[in-house]
Amino acid sequence: DTGVSQDPRHKITKRGQNVTFRCDPISEHNRLYWYRQTLGQGPEFLTYFQNEAQLEKSRLLSDRFSAERPKGSFSTLEIQRTEQGDSAMYLCASSFSWEQFFGPGTRLTVL
Amino acid sequence: SQKIEQNSEALNIQEGKTATLTCNYTNYSPAYLQWYRQDPGRGPVFLLLIRENEKEKRKERLKVTFDTTLKQSLFHITASQPADSATYLCAQGGPTGTASKLTFGTGTRLQVTL
Repeated sequence: DTGVSQDPRHKITKRGQNVTFRCDPISEHNRLYWYRQTLGQGPEFLTYFQNEAQLEKSRLLSDRFSAERPKGSFSTLEIQRTEQGDSAMYLCASSFSWEQFFGPGTRLTVL
Repeated sequence: SQKIEQNSEALNIQEGKTATLTCNYTNYSPAYLQWYRQDPGRGPVFLLLIRENEKEKRKERLKVTFDTTLKQSLFHITASQPADSATYLCAQGGPTGTASKLTFGTGTRLQVTL
């Protein structure tokens, strides 16, 4: 399968712990996006990379959140000191043009 | 700030009929709108893109319109089938017209019954 992949698919953690998610985009795509989605809502933009450069971050992204895309390939999203409000589906998408291709998401549950 | 509004109530429709979903936006006219389909527990899947200078776009049983006067896009599925049951998301790109982050609506859940 040459689509966008995300790992893990599910993560349960205790409040205060750190978690890290990985996204592997479609190989020829230079743009990579992270979104967060809660139940009954559409995806909300978190951050965006073009190649290895992080070009935009949402105001939703507190200083507990950090994302990287070393070498312009895969990306990681880390959440430090998780809170119950961080529970959501974290979606990664990649694109070369207008259309964005989404991965299956990582569902985070913070207890 | 720009908002994308979709009817959050589910749309129930009988098989074979045409489903019509609405997307309204506030403030500035986006350079383009996109429509995605999302099934439970999965990421959204791109369906169609329509630019502000296009009034209509079609793909198989799907049709999208863009009315900048009404600040509205309509998404139609003709001859609907139970397999079309899903949540449909409207999303806008930035005003500059370049490929960029998307702002999504809440989505409308479509249920097609036999």
